[in-house]
Amino acid sequence: AQSVTQLGSHVSVSEGALVLLRCNYSSSVPPYLFWYVQYPNQGLQLLLKYTTGATLVKGINGFEAEFKKSETSFHLTKPSAHMSDAAEYFCAVTINQAGTALIFGKGTTLSVSS
Amino acid sequence: AAGVIQSPRHLIKEKRETATLKCYPIPRHDTVYWYQQGPGQDPQFLISFYEKMQSDKGSIPDRFSAQQFSDYHSELNMSSLELGDSALYFCASRRQGGYGYTFGSGTRLTVV
Repeated sequence: AQSVTQLGSHVSVSEGALVLLRCNYSSSVPPYLFWYVQYPNQGLQLLLKYTTGATLVKGINGFEAEFKKSETSFHLTKPSAHMSDAAEYFCAVTINQAGTALIFGKGTTLSVSS
Repeated sequence: AAGVIQSPRHLIKEKRETATLKCYPIPRHDTVYWYQQGPGQDPQFLISFYEKMQSDKGSIPDRFSAQQFSDYHSELNMSSLELGDSALYFCASRRQGGYGYTFGSGTRLTVV
């Protein structure tokens, strides 16, 4: 079975600072990895995904993530935080098999201070 | 672009009542997934359907059942509701062979 572990349930940064949200995965077969963002009382919005190919993935709102197989990691970064980035971020994993569900990590709350 | 449609958006039920949540996937998406997200929790996978057959099962209580119909829409039926069932219920759809899971806006169920 697949799983993800998000290190740090809460991350606080200053506006303009680097954002780093950590995600490690476990999968016995090549994984597909995702990052979603959720604002209060809203749904899940896809930030970016890794399936195959280039290991550095660029997403929306200036976010990017790098798939590192040797470290089983898929950390999310953004060079300069903005106040509007404050939200809950979920890392998720699945595999390429019909009907297989997306499994989420526990989430990381990102706070951005001015 | 068409999105995943969930109805209703909000639902209030009393304990021991039943509830039915509906999900309309993106056209040509053949797989539907149901998730439950409690307050401050991560989305928990409940059940999925691929081509109208159950394809994967997660932590779905026996009181819940679901199915996917010929038009690919899906319904989650919840009986003997408990206070702990209060949560945001998401539906996601995917086209087999595609990479994206598209989520609906969710149904917020409150059990009182």
